[in-house]
Amino acid sequence: QSVVTQPPSASGTPGQRVTISCSGSSPNIGSNYVYWYQQVPGTAPKLLIYRSDQRPSGVPDRFSGSKSGTSASLAISGVRSEDEADYYCAVWDDSLSGPVFGGGTKLTVL
Amino acid sequence: QVQLVESGGGLVKPGGSLRLSCEASGFTFSDYYMSWIRQAPGKGLEWISYISSSGSTINYADSVKGRFTISRDNAKNSLYLQMNSLRGEDTAVYYCARDYFASGSYSRFDPWGQGTLVTVSS
Repeated sequence: QSVVTQPPSASGTPGQRVTISCSGSSPNIGSNYVYWYQQVPGTAPKLLIYRSDQRPSGVPDRFSGSKSGTSASLAISGVRSEDEADYYCAVWDDSLSGPVFGGGTKLTVL
Repeated sequence: QVQLVESGGGLVKPGGSLRLSCEASGFTFSDYYMSWIRQAPGKGLEWISYISSSGSTINYADSVKGRFTISRDNAKNSLYLQMNSLRGEDTAVYYCARDYFASGSYSRFDPWGQGTLVTVSS
């Protein structure tokens, strides 16, 4: 059981806006930046968002991140079939003195 | 290009040992922290250890503390994970990842290797 919680699944039709939440508490999301990773089945995870709302070069601008209080969100505007993947949030936890991952959200594009 | 390649996975009996390696290329390995992260079959990601650029600072998740040892050889651009007293719950794909801890990005792992599968079973 992770200290940060994600919904196990999310879905959307092509072109829709989809959001995935990551809920935590004061020692983690409340105090630190949130990171998002995309894992296409059978491949290694890939960094999608860093420092809560920054996109690495090469990541399409339809992906965006935000954080408020002890929660964070990943939004995908205009979802595409190739976005079908597992998405994980990650954040440092001051109490555990280490990084923690959310349980992951499986995105299905209908 | 920046690349990480893990090796050393395989089948091991409970209580056994295994040493994983991760060879880095395309960046100045000695400038970065490095981490090991694992993923049990069909499960989520679990960070297990990081090591500082010089090797002087090390941290482990409680789940592996006392059983696993992380190390690095900057001359060989290589990261290692010595795994002892292995258990069934250690069965997972093990990834190495470049870690941006030193720059204040405490959960930024980029890039990741392709992973190596460790199976603990009798």
